[in-house]
Amino acid sequence: EAQVTQNPRYLITVTGKKLTVTCSQNMNHEYMSWYRQDPGLGLRQIYYSMNVEVTDKGDVPEGYKVSRKEKRNFPLILESPSPNQTSLYFCASQGQNNQPQHFGDGTRLSIL
Amino acid sequence: AQSVTQLGSHVSVSEGALVLLRCNYSSSVPPYLFWYVQYPNQGLQLLLKYTSAATLVKGINGFEAEFKKSETSFHLTKPSAHMSDAAEYFCAVSSGSGNTGKLIFGQGTTLQVKP
Repeated sequence: EAQVTQNPRYLITVTGKKLTVTCSQNMNHEYMSWYRQDPGLGLRQIYYSMNVEVTDKGDVPEGYKVSRKEKRNFPLILESPSPNQTSLYFCASQGQNNQPQHFGDGTRLSIL
Repeated sequence: AQSVTQLGSHVSVSEGALVLLRCNYSSSVPPYLFWYVQYPNQGLQLLLKYTSAATLVKGINGFEAEFKKSETSFHLTKPSAHMSDAAEYFCAVSSGSGNTGKLIFGQGTTLQVKP
């Protein structure tokens, strides 16, 4: 079954404690992306990756890092989380240009 | 720059009534447009997409949308609402070049279906 898997689904943590949200896809997609969803703002892109070792900033990259060492994995790293990063995060992957993206089930982060 | 505006953050309809969710876009290039649905505690699921073929696009679960270039609109409709349609709906436009996978989302519309 084609899927995008995120872990953890829920996390409550404290300011400054580094955390990583993993994302894995089994569709051999080249393009992967991270979004955050906030009420009234829809989803906004944080970072994206066009292929292995190729990443770039989206619209709201501050406070986040990503890496793409393997095609299937695209982890999101918060080196020093802050309360304004409390949000619902989605990973997505895409095959060819302008094909629909496949989304994970989301990770709800609460930073206290 | 591209943008998407969804008119109405909440829409309430009775079961069996017409569903109309409005989406207007702004794009300097021919757009690729999408509607996604999000059920509680789930990710986004594609309802339908417009990629410059037919202007009337049929999607899953009885939904359809019509691309109107003159009105820069891509409204989502369903003739008869079902209780299971209650969810949040997002309209999105693809950036189309460069960061070709980037989706620009509207603010979302929560659909409530009353019995």
